[in-house]
Amino acid sequence: EDQVTQSPEALRLQEGESSSLNCSYTVSGLRGLFWYRQDPGKGPEFLFTLYSAGEEKEKERLKATLTKKESFLHITAPKPEDSATYLCAVQARNYGQNFVFGPGTRLSVLP
Amino acid sequence: DGGITQSPKYLFRKEGQNVTLSCEQNLNHDAMYWYRQDPGQGLRLIYYSQIVNDFQKGDIAEGYSVSREKKESFPLTVTSAQKNPTAFYLCASSIGRLAKNIQYFGAGTRLSVL
Repeated sequence: EDQVTQSPEALRLQEGESSSLNCSYTVSGLRGLFWYRQDPGKGPEFLFTLYSAGEEKEKERLKATLTKKESFLHITAPKPEDSATYLCAVQARNYGQNFVFGPGTRLSVLP
Repeated sequence: DGGITQSPKYLFRKEGQNVTLSCEQNLNHDAMYWYRQDPGQGLRLIYYSQIVNDFQKGDIAEGYSVSREKKESFPLTVTSAQKNPTAFYLCASSIGRLAKNIQYFGAGTRLSVL
């Protein structure tokens, strides 16, 4: 069964303490992997798209990487404003243009 | 300012009542989507539309209905057949071409049952 899982479910970091979030997927024919940030009570905000294993994208303190089975979102020296839920989604051959979303990782960065 | 507008932000439904959630986009996107988000779960696809006057059921379409009469608009009706409608509803849109199919989201509508 195609699925997307994320770990950990929740993560608490001190300001400046770097860490990584994981998104693992078991789908056939990956077309793209997408990372979003979601603040409480708001819609997801697009961060990155990765299309092939080995690809990396960076934006400020965030860096996303992709392998054949998983993606990592690395957060370097996080700040309290990085606190949010981070969602990953995959687009695969079986789903056409539709996405399969993971459950998300709730990140809290303490000052 | 291009974007996706969802209204209302909060909505309350009485027993046996149908309610309609609005979604409008001015991004000139062909594809539009409705998702339901429950605590601790990923977004689940309710309905999607790749083109005007056409739409398909997603994974959890029962108790919901949609229409796509205009490119800019994709309203979602939560019918009385949906027995557990309390959730956060998100509308999204995308260009619709596989190569650049980033989905952009509205701010969401929170639906509660009175």
